[in-house]
Amino acid sequence: GEDVEQSLFLSVREGDSSVINCTYTDSSSTYLYWYKQEPGAGLQLLTYIFSNMDMKQDQRLTVLLNKKDKHLSLRIADTQTGDSAIYFCADSYSSASKIIFGSGTRLSIRP
Amino acid sequence: DTGVSQDPRHKITKRGQNVTFRCDPISEHNRLYWYRQTLGQGPEFLTYFQNEAQLEKSRLLSDRFSAERPKGSFSTLEIQRTEQGDSAMYLCASSSTGQSSYEQYFGPGTRLTVT
Repeated sequence: GEDVEQSLFLSVREGDSSVINCTYTDSSSTYLYWYKQEPGAGLQLLTYIFSNMDMKQDQRLTVLLNKKDKHLSLRIADTQTGDSAIYFCADSYSSASKIIFGSGTRLSIRP
Repeated sequence: DTGVSQDPRHKITKRGQNVTFRCDPISEHNRLYWYRQTLGQGPEFLTYFQNEAQLEKSRLLSDRFSAERPKGSFSTLEIQRTEQGDSAMYLCASSSTGQSSYEQYFGPGTRLTVT
């Protein structure tokens, strides 16, 4: 069945880069997403990548997709305290379909 | 554009009671989704509407759950005879059918606690 897996925790020093990794099982995934959830807040769509792309950069965010290994990563450059949140990797196979989410990676920032 | 709104934000109910939640999507978004999120987990899909038609339901949506979107705008999710296992955050999302149809925007959620 469809599954998205990611590590539960990541701790980085302020100013360093954060890399959050994710693997997915559905080879027909067309859209891959990163959502951010801050305490008490809803899910915020951070960025996404289409399955026919290898990389997407958006300011401090870089998404890398290895479709062969079904591996997705999110790199946050110059990590700030405001980046503390839970980051969810997710995928879907069509624009109208449900999104399948991982369990989330909690990113904490050390001073 | 005020984003997706949900009401109420919090609901505490006793086991066996019925509860109803409301979701107002982003205006002109004709797709609406309901998800459920339990502590420490990512959201899980429950059901999806395009306009007023309910096009997909998860097997997570037991007979005690019903969702409607009568006029293709707001939606309601009702849970009958609530159980403690229904305690979760219920999230609503909406998307368009246009160029950015793959972008689902989420509301703040309704946190349900069943005592």
